[in-house]
Amino acid sequence: GNSVTQMEGPVTLSEEAFLTINCTYTATGYPSLFWYVQYPGEGLQLLLKATKADDKGSNKGFEATYRKETTSFHLEKGSVQVSDSAVYFCALRSLNDYKLSFGAGTTVTVRA
Amino acid sequence: SQTIHQWPATLVQPVGSPLSLECTVEGTSNPNLYWYRQAAGRGLQLLFYSVGIGQISSEVPQNLSASRPQDRQFILSSKKLLLSDSGFYLCARSDWGGNTIYFGEGSWLTVV
Repeated sequence: GNSVTQMEGPVTLSEEAFLTINCTYTATGYPSLFWYVQYPGEGLQLLLKATKADDKGSNKGFEATYRKETTSFHLEKGSVQVSDSAVYFCALRSLNDYKLSFGAGTTVTVRA
Repeated sequence: SQTIHQWPATLVQPVGSPLSLECTVEGTSNPNLYWYRQAAGRGLQLLFYSVGIGQISSEVPQNLSASRPQDRQFILSSKKLLLSDSGFYLCARSDWGGNTIYFGEGSWLTVV
């Protein structure tokens, strides 16, 4: 079956530091890959997505590239801000599958 | 529009009482609808999904149930709440044929 593994947190960074959150997956076929962000007390927001190999999703300074050869979709941001403090979830959805498979989530705290 | 309305936003209920969480969505017809739960400090668990009116699939056996009386309405219910039902409940949607799932703002349930 499908599964997503993402690096365990919590991750604590200083403002303007570089952020990487690793995500690897196991799936049949060619899934679509997603990163969601959950700010404190809120629901999940779609941060970015990629639907095929070598696609790069980007939004709000975050980027992730769909790497089929390494089955990875690592999230990166070059210079984080305090407002980026949140929980980040990696997820996948296989073609013809109705549901998302989520990673466990990574809590990121950015200090001023 | 991907608007998803969930209510109530916050709920405190005694053990053994009933539950009804409602979700309505706007936008295209025949969306796929989902209920997820997020327990404190844990990841996301898919509870139910629906591909059409009256069509409900349960992912996890428990004392919760779901119904879809109208195309854009999805209700999560329980006849008797347990302490372990406490958590953050998220309604979500994806458009028919689409691969992206969008989430509502969530409902906080505390069973006391």
